[in-house]
Amino acid sequence: DTAVSQTPKYLVTQMGNDKSIKCEQNLGHDTMYWYKQDSKKFLKIMFSYNNKELIINETVPNRFSPKSPDKAHLNLHINSLELGDSAVYFCASSPAVAATVETQYFGPGTRLLVL
Amino acid sequence: DAKTTQPPSMDCAEGRAANLPCNHSTISGNEYVYWYRQIHSQGPQYIIHGLKNNETNEMASLIITEDRKSSTLILPHATLRDTAVYYCIVRPLISNFGNEKLTFGTGTRLTIIP
Repeated sequence: DTAVSQTPKYLVTQMGNDKSIKCEQNLGHDTMYWYKQDSKKFLKIMFSYNNKELIINETVPNRFSPKSPDKAHLNLHINSLELGDSAVYFCASSPAVAATVETQYFGPGTRLLVL
Repeated sequence: DAKTTQPPSMDCAEGRAANLPCNHSTISGNEYVYWYRQIHSQGPQYIIHGLKNNETNEMASLIITEDRKSSTLILPHATLRDTAVYYCIVRPLISNFGNEKLTFGTGTRLTIIP
């Protein structure tokens, strides 16, 4: 009963292709996130959604489009993949209750390699 | 969010206490200290958080200095499975739903030695 799951775990593709990564959480959380961890291991926020509404968009190229069909899912679609998109992408979720300490739960990551 | 400073790497013998320091000299009064860790090839994992009092849970203890400018994460009996990168993060309570990004620094790479 994985709390935050991502598919696929590994993704190898050619430059210029379009690909999607899926994320699902069964924790009942209202907020979900996408983070990118590059080859130097820096982990940075990309997007956050609260109840299917986009909240954070950290100057990510337009080729990246998150989609949240419901609050348990946050998918990441990437158009026209570039070599620099190669990274590990982590999905996370949190209850995001106002005026509380916030804990984020991370998925296992999707390792994307663009050739 | 306040900036944190951590040593890039540390070693600790298996079974001993691992003490990971973090400096956050610009922390504001409403900001909490969080610790996460990332074991190789896994997603980050929440460990503990605190405001000004020392905290303990099943994973670790957190000691925050009286002036709150630094803290120490303590793993009381380190095991090989504790080998990971440990991140110290400072941020306030949730104010806006979904606007609560975690800003990860470079962390401390802790290696537990058999």
